[in-house]
Amino acid sequence: DARVTQTPRHKVTEMGQEVTMRCQPILGHNTVFWYRQTMMQGLELLAYFRNRAPLDDSGMPKDRFSAEMPDATLATLKIQPSEPRDSAVYFCASGAGTGNGDTQYFGPGTRLTVL
Amino acid sequence: AQSVTQLGSHVSVSEGALVLLRCNYSSSVPPYLFWYVQYPNQGLQLLLKYTTGATLVKGINGFEAEFKKSETSFHLTKPSAHMSDAAEYFCAAARSGGYNKLIFGAGTRLAVHP
Repeated sequence: DARVTQTPRHKVTEMGQEVTMRCQPILGHNTVFWYRQTMMQGLELLAYFRNRAPLDDSGMPKDRFSAEMPDATLATLKIQPSEPRDSAVYFCASGAGTGNGDTQYFGPGTRLTVL
Repeated sequence: AQSVTQLGSHVSVSEGALVLLRCNYSSSVPPYLFWYVQYPNQGLQLLLKYTTGATLVKGINGFEAEFKKSETSFHLTKPSAHMSDAAEYFCAAARSGGYNKLIFGAGTRLAVHP
């Protein structure tokens, strides 16, 4: 049963600290998405990768957030320095990348709390 | 800009009653449309999607949705609610011809009571 995995599942940190979240997409998928979910803003797209190349990160605060795909099996989202307003659940999703309404498969999320 | 509106942030039904969750999209070009379900402390799971072809789409767990272009709607229904259907439901749209960027509605929390 192929699924997207994310680590850690929960992270509590103090303001100013660096946070790194990891995602392993489904094997063979060539698109990766990072979303943030908050009560106030709902689900927001932060970044999108296709074949490991970042194609859209317009939803991401550039000054503190960065997203990378070091290889096809790992995507990372980093926040440095973290702030209390970054507290949210961060989801990674992967897809087959056909572009014709293909399904995005979501991971279980990383719940981040910044104190 | 494309947007998705879900009417009703909370819906409550009795077990065995009809479930109707409403979704409208705004787009000059009919998009691809999706319904996802989120159980507590879990990620989103696809219920069903409309891309092309038949406008009545059947999904998992007995859910179905009908794409109505004239009404720009994609409402989700289930004839008989089960306690296990209690969750949050998200409607989403992706522009055809794009890279499948999903625009999500705000979500509807479904409660099912005995």
